This record gives sequence, structure tokens and C-alpha cells, in this order.
Amino acid sequence: QKEVEQDPGPLSVPEGAIVSLNCTYSNSAFQYFMWYRQYSRKGPELLMYTYSSGNKEDGRFTAQVDKSSKYISLFIRDSQPSDSATYLCAIGMFGNEKLTFGTGTRLTIIP
Amino acid sequence: GAGVSQSPSNKVTEKGKDVELRCDPISGHTALYWYRQSLGQGLEFLIYFQGNSAPDKSGLPSDRFSAERTGGSVSTLTIQRTQQEDSAVYLCASSLPIGATNSPLHFGNGTRLTVT
Repeated sequence: QKEVEQDPGPLSVPEGAIVSLNCTYSNSAFQYFMWYRQYSRKGPELLMYTYSSGNKEDGRFTAQVDKSSKYISLFIRDSQPSDSATYLCAIGMFGNEKLTFGTGTRLTIIP
Repeated sequence: GAGVSQSPSNKVTEKGKDVELRCDPISGHTALYWYRQSLGQGLEFLIYFQGNSAPDKSGLPSDRFSAERTGGSVSTLTIQRTQQEDSAVYLCASSLPIGATNSPLHFGNGTRLTVT
């Protein structure tokens, strides 16, 4: 079993829709959770970072963590064509700085 | 300010040849990582440098892979006797010292390696 499972998509939604991206993980020792966005032929860039269960909001983006279910989500409201990218979840443990990444979900927002 | 710089951006090499990939981290970032990204495989950790400590090489897939970091700054990833399965995007990232709050990884745009 992989440490992090992420649906690779591709996922296509119309502009303005709410997008839900998800990852599950297997090791309850993981303590912090990140979402990275990667545009084509670019490196990943950090979008959201959290280390507690619950929701964290930043503009149109909300990161949700459920440690009891080992499930993390990223919601994008009022999606825009510029949100079209691959979204990678990443999880880690304090004291062990090797992030474990999901395979990424390719998202396309259709104008 | 300048981000993480990687060179070359693309590299095509013949099977069996050696290649060197270069990474210039963000100034002041003492932590440096190499990851490999293959289609459908996500990011695979390769090696991690932190300051003057011994690097964590636990992710290197074989002894054909090695990396060094000179003067705590520039890093070079070397792949000897390349194989077709080495074809991937090699990403470098740097970050503030471990323990700094909210020290996310800053990635370069990668080197796309194709072994023919």
C-alpha cells in the first residue's frame, strides 16, 4: 500500500464550479499536510500548509484535514481557467524532512 | 528575488552515458532536496542535504546515482551509465533551516532527462 493515495484524474470542470481534490494516507504518524500546485513544465509551488484537523481557508482555497480518517482535501471555489494545473498533496512528520507526495491530480477548468 | 535555478532544463543522452544535473538554491536556504518525477509516479525523494550534516541518501535508487553539495550552496546530481528508466524530470528544492516555522520547499523548474 502506498503511503499516500491520490486520484490522478484527469478532472475537467466548468469555470465557476467548486472543485474537490482528495488524498488518503496510511500512517497516522504524519503530522503536517500540504498542497502544491504545478503548472506544465514548472516546479511545484506551495499552495496550502496545515498541521491540524479542520479547515484552513485562503481566498478561494480551503484545505481540510481529517486525521481520524486519514483523509485530506483541497476545495477550490469559483474555479478559474488559471487554476488549471496538477495538484499534489504532500504529507510529512516533524523531525523527518522527507515529504511524501501523492501522484498528483491533473485539473482543467473549462471556460 | 531569484528562485531555485536548475540547469540544463532539458537533457537528451544516450544509454550508458553519464549526466550531471545542477541546482542553485535560494540564497540562505541551508536545506536542499532532489526529487524525481516520473509520469504517473508522483515525486520520488532522492537525497537531502542540510547544512554541514551528512546527507540523507536513502532515496537514491542505485549506486549509479550520487550527489554532492559544494560550499553549502550549489548541488550536482550525477547519474552514471544512464538507463532508459532514468528518464524523468529531476526536481531540486531548497528551504530554510529545518525547524524554521513554515519552511516550505521552493522548487526549481526541473531538468527533463531523456535517455535514448
